[in-house]
Order: sequence, then structure tokens, then C-alpha cells
Amino acid sequence: DVKVTQSSRYLVKRTGEKVFLECVQDMDHENMFWYRQDPGLGLRLIYFSYDVKMKEKGDIPEGYSVSREKKERFSLILESASTNQTSMYLCASSPPFYNEQFFGPGTRLTVL
Amino acid sequence: QKEVEQNSGPLSVPEGAIASLNCTYSDRGSQSFFWYRQYSGKSPELIMSIYSNGDKEDGRFTAQLNKASQYVSLLIRDSQPSDSATYLCAVSPGFKTIFGAGTRLFVKA
Repeated sequence: DVKVTQSSRYLVKRTGEKVFLECVQDMDHENMFWYRQDPGLGLRLIYFSYDVKMKEKGDIPEGYSVSREKKERFSLILESASTNQTSMYLCASSPPFYNEQFFGPGTRLTVL
Repeated sequence: QKEVEQNSGPLSVPEGAIASLNCTYSDRGSQSFFWYRQYSGKSPELIMSIYSNGDKEDGRFTAQLNKASQYVSLLIRDSQPSDSATYLCAVSPGFKTIFGAGTRLFVKA
């Protein structure tokens, strides 16, 4: 079974803090994604990566950056957390060509 | 116009009935179509994928695709209370996947 893990299930941070969210997958998938999910807005793509050290902006990249130094690990960074970044953050991975995405359990981030 | 549209529901069906969930999409170049199930407080789980016109069956689930009408549906036969969840339709016109906002399904015992 594909396993995608995320570093924290719940996280509380203060405004202005730098926040790191980690995602690891064990299926040797090339593609990895970061989404946020908010009520009424659905899943919105923040960044994705199709290879090590490669990254592409999604639909809402402002205020975020990413890092992919190893194939299995994709990190999301909030450079200076703000209250409007309070959300559920979901990481996903997929094999090439098929776009079937497998999600991690999610991190519920609260920024105070 | 949203790229992937679903009725938000809630859709309520009695136990044992067929639940029918619908989705329309705007990009005619889309090639891959998916249904995900998401329980409250949990992450989405892939339940069906479909790539060509017609029906695809997997157990109690049937996905239907009509590219000419830009329409995807999911039928759940013999609905169970454990099927109560939000169902997300997802469409891949290329590398990215676009998700609908989801339809909430309640199956009444």
C-alpha cells in the first residue's frame, strides 16, 4: 500500500513564525503535491513537484515555498505565518502519467 | 464558471438505495477522471478512476464518463451508512488535477 505521512496532525503557531510542514512517501513516486483545504473552497493546489529539486507553482503559492531535496520528501514552508493561513494542509503523491493521487493524513494548522 | 462542478448536497438516501453523484467539467482536453471519498476530519481516499467513455464497475461503485457532455458520475449501489462521506470529483486536463468542492452524502439507516 502507498503510504504518505505528514510530520504533524495538529500544529499551532504564532503570527510571523516560520513553519515547516514535512511530507514523506514510500512508493518511489515522482510527483508530489501540497494542497490546502478550506470549507466551501475545496482543495486548492499550492505547489507541486515532478522531480527532485523541481517545483512548480500551483494556484495559490503566495506566502509559501517548498523544498524537494530527496525524491521521497516534499516540504512546505510558510515563511511568515499569518492568520489567513489557518487551514488543513494535505500532501499527496502520484506515479508518473496516471495522476492518481494518494494523500497523507493532513496537518491542521492554526495560526494565532 | 468553475472548472469542476458538483452539487454540494447534502444528498440523502435510505440504506440499500442507489446513490447517484454527478460532476461536470469545463476543460474538453481532460483525459483522466477520479472519484475520492473523504470522511469528516480525514484526508481524501481514491475510490475510482476512469479514463475512457462508458462505465467502469468496482464492487458496489460504478463510474460513468461521457466526454462529449463533459460529465462524470458515480453510482453507489446498496448504499450503507458507512458510505456517508463527502465525495470529490477530480479531473486531470494535464499534469495538474482539479478537484470539485465535493458532494456530501448521507445514508440513513
